[in-house]
Amino acid sequence: GAGVSQSPSNKVTEKGKDVELRCDPISGHTALYWYRQSLGQGLEFLIYFQGNSAPDKSGLPSDRFSAERTGGSVSTLTIQRTQQEDSAVYLCASSWTTYNEQFFGPGTRLTVL
Amino acid sequence: LAKTTQPISMDSYEGQEVNITCSHNNIATNDYITWYQQFPSQGPRFIIQGYKTKVTNEVASLFIPADRKSSTLSLPRVSLSDTAVYYCLVGDKNDYKLSFGAGTTVTVRA
Repeated sequence: GAGVSQSPSNKVTEKGKDVELRCDPISGHTALYWYRQSLGQGLEFLIYFQGNSAPDKSGLPSDRFSAERTGGSVSTLTIQRTQQEDSAVYLCASSWTTYNEQFFGPGTRLTVL
Repeated sequence: LAKTTQPISMDSYEGQEVNITCSHNNIATNDYITWYQQFPSQGPRFIIQGYKTKVTNEVASLFIPADRKSSTLSLPRVSLSDTAVYYCLVGDKNDYKLSFGAGTTVTVRA
């Protein structure tokens, strides 16, 4: 009955490496969202899932970013060939349905050296 | 989402009331006003939402004047644990793409 969980909590990687960030939404929540929050900046929408489908990928910054969701539950955000500008906190949120209150996880802090 | 303006930071002391005003001159007819709270190393958390007049819950009150061009989040009798960043959002209830600015950092001192 826990909230949204994300792993890892911190990730340090070298420029050019690929990283995978995981999100476990609240059980039963059909909608899942990925956001990015840069230091001292606001929240930036990346992608939204309804079930396993991603009807809105409009926020993904480049084709190096991709995400999938399986079984209507766990989601993985993958960043290929990481760049220093990818350094940020990546937040995942889920909600019962698309237009309900979003519950956020604690985030994954990604640092690209 | 309508553009919002809120103070960068506010300081307060335990037991005081904190009022954070958010300006949103271009608010649309269908827009609601929503406030989120974010503690360090945590994701944002929904606090309160309103359309007009006053809304109150167990955490805060939201005051919205008739012209809806601004709103004020009121935190009664704050404690040290209320130290956080508070974000004001204005948008249609059906807009799931949340977008925060820098927010207001509220620091509560003993």
